Amino acid sequence: QVQLVESGGGVVQPGRSLRLSCAVSGLTFGNFGMDWVRQAPGKGLEWVAVISYDGSNKNYVDSVKGRFTISRDNSKSTLYLQMNSLRTEDTAVYYCAKSSTSGNYAPFDIWGQGTMVIVSS
Amino acid sequence: EIVLTQSPDFQSVTPREKVTITCRASQSVGTGLHWYQQKPDQSPKLLIKYASQSFSGVPSRFSGSGSGTDFTLTINTLEAEDSATYYCHQTSSLPFTFGPGTKVDVK
Repeated sequence: QVQLVESGGGVVQPGRSLRLSCAVSGLTFGNFGMDWVRQAPGKGLEWVAVISYDGSNKNYVDSVKGRFTISRDNSKSTLYLQMNSLRTEDTAVYYCAKSSTSGNYAPFDIWGQGTMVIVSS
Repeated sequence: EIVLTQSPDFQSVTPREKVTITCRASQSVGTGLHWYQQKPDQSPKLLIKYASQSFSGVPSRFSGSGSGTDFTLTINTLEAEDSATYYCHQTSSLPFTFGPGTKVDVK
C-alpha cells in the first residue's frame, strides 16, 4: 500500500538548520505534487509548502519564504524540506502529504505519520 | 490569503445524533474545499474532496455540500469512533489554508 514516512526531526537551537525527508512507496512518486503541512503543539494545521510533480513549481507560506526550501528526488521517491534560520515558532509536527493529482491545486489524499521539530535553546 | 472560519469550535454529541459543521471562506473558493478528520496523535485523513465528493473508503454517513464561500460537513448517525477534530481546507488559491478545526466529542 501507499506509505509516506517522514524522518529528520529533532531538537535544534534557534538559527540552526534541519532537513526533513519523506520517503514514499507504493506508487509512482513522480506523478504527484507533494506538500508539507505542520501542526504546532495543541494547534491546528498550517500548510507550509508545495512542489509540483516534476519539481518545476514551488510555493511557500509567507512565514517560511526565504528560510525553507522544498525539493524532491523522483529517482529516490523522496521529498525534502530544508529548514534554515529556524525560529521557536517553527516548533511543530511536520507532515508530508501527497496531492491527489499531478497538479498543485488538489486535496491531500495520503499523509505521513509526521516528524517532530523542536526549536529551543 | 483566504481565511477559513469554522463553527462550532466544539460539539459534544451522543451516538446516532447528526452533526453539522460549517466552514466559511473569506472569498470564493469555488468547490476547491476539502474536509479532513484528525484523531488524537494521528495524521489527518481526507474525508470529502471538492466540497461534496466522498473520498474512497470513507463511510457514507459523511457528506459535504456547498460552493463559493459557504460549506457544510454533515455526519449522520454519529458513531463513537467519529470523535475527532475536523478541518476544512482550501486549495483554490495559494497560500493554501486550513480552518481552525471543530472538535467533536461523542459521549
